[in-house]
Amino acid sequence: AQSVAQPEDQVNVAEGNPLTVKCTYSVSGNPYLFWYVQYPNRGLQFLLKYITGDNLVKGSYGFEAEFNKSQTSFHLKKPSALVSDSALYFCAVRAYDNAGNMLTFGGGTRLMVKP
Amino acid sequence: DTEVTQTPKHLVMGMTNKKSLKCEQHMGHRAMYWYKQKAKKPPELMFVYSYEKLSINESVPSRFSPECPNSSLLNLHLHALQPEDSALYLCASSRDHLDSYEQYFGPGTRLTVT
Repeated sequence: AQSVAQPEDQVNVAEGNPLTVKCTYSVSGNPYLFWYVQYPNRGLQFLLKYITGDNLVKGSYGFEAEFNKSQTSFHLKKPSALVSDSALYFCAVRAYDNAGNMLTFGGGTRLMVKP
Repeated sequence: DTEVTQTPKHLVMGMTNKKSLKCEQHMGHRAMYWYKQKAKKPPELMFVYSYEKLSINESVPSRFSPECPNSSLLNLHLHALQPEDSALYLCASSRDHLDSYEQYFGPGTRLTVT
């Protein structure tokens, strides 16, 4: 079985400050890890993914995430938040040997960036 | 073109109606998915199609019937739905269903069952 936890329902940050959205996972074997963002009344947009290699992954819109195998974490970060980053963020995991590309999503974290 | 399109954007239907949701992608992806998403919750996988064949059915009630007419199109036929089926229905596609490829999501169809 695989699972994802996003411990914070909401993260508040001031514009221009760094932001972190936390994600921890549990999976048998090697994980594929993904971050998606969802704006109101929209579908999910892919931000970045970790498959293998460098633990620091860079993605769209200035976001990056760091894979930490020992802590089974994949936190999403951005050095300087924008008001337009306010949205719902989902972390997802898939096991390397999981046929069907079945993603397991975390519960989501709402990011609020205030001017 | 990295777009997945879905029609209609909104749908209101009675419990005795029959309606269909449509999804289309022209990225050459060979895997397509239907998800159901309730407000402020993560998407829940319903079906996976791989190379136009149903690969996974996550124990979805038979009032939801998927169809994949060709590699670019995915339909979800709805019949005799219940009010609790009201949700955002998301379609997604990926290059393949067996590897690490990310899924691309459409904007969704907001379904209300009255």
